[in-house]
Amino acid sequence: AQKVTQAQTEISVVEKEDVTLDCVYETRDTTYYLFWYKQPPSGELVFLIRRNSFDEQNEISGRYSWNFQKSTSSFNFTITASQVVDSAVYFCALSEAHDMDSSYKLIFGSGTRLLVRP
Amino acid sequence: KAGVTQTPRYLIKTRGQQVTLSCSPISGHRSVSWYQQTPGQGLQFLFEYFSETQRNKGNFPGRFSGRQFSNSRSEMNVSTLELGDSALYLCASSLRGGHTDTQYFGPGTRLTVL
Repeated sequence: AQKVTQAQTEISVVEKEDVTLDCVYETRDTTYYLFWYKQPPSGELVFLIRRNSFDEQNEISGRYSWNFQKSTSSFNFTITASQVVDSAVYFCALSEAHDMDSSYKLIFGSGTRLLVRP
Repeated sequence: KAGVTQTPRYLIKTRGQQVTLSCSPISGHRSVSWYQQTPGQGLQFLFEYFSETQRNKGNFPGRFSGRQFSNSRSEMNVSTLELGDSALYLCASSLRGGHTDTQYFGPGTRLTVL
């Protein structure tokens, strides 16, 4: 069965520190997608990135970077030079679909609450 | 382009009542999915609609139902409310709901059952 584990429940850092959020997933599908979403106090889930199972290239977007390693079933997220505005709950998610054309649902991890202190 | 909108944002009901939540997807998006978020169970998939048809359903009792209209707007209904139904209900839309799509979420409706 599909499963996403975010072992870090809460992380607290001081502004400008780098922080890595861990995500480990389990799936028997050969084709799948991994996602990261951010949930600020307002409650809305904000999409950050999507990565398919065939693309293990790391990605960098500004202060954000993602490291996808199929060998360890991990999709970790690093924020460089963290800012107070990065404080939120971050969710890693895995898509589950029966085939490429059918609808999919997201399997979410339990989330990591990041607190960036000034 | 306007994002996903959900109404109402907050709702207080009592046990036994029923409730209807509404979701308007991003313009052009035809797939709408619903998720429930609680402190104990986290984020869980409820169901997905595309072209007014439910294509996928999560593991929730029959008290939870939904529908989609021809303009892709969706509603979900919970009948005979229980205390455990208190949650943040999130709606997400995507172009076709296919595996290559990304789901974009609305701000959610926070339901409190007393």
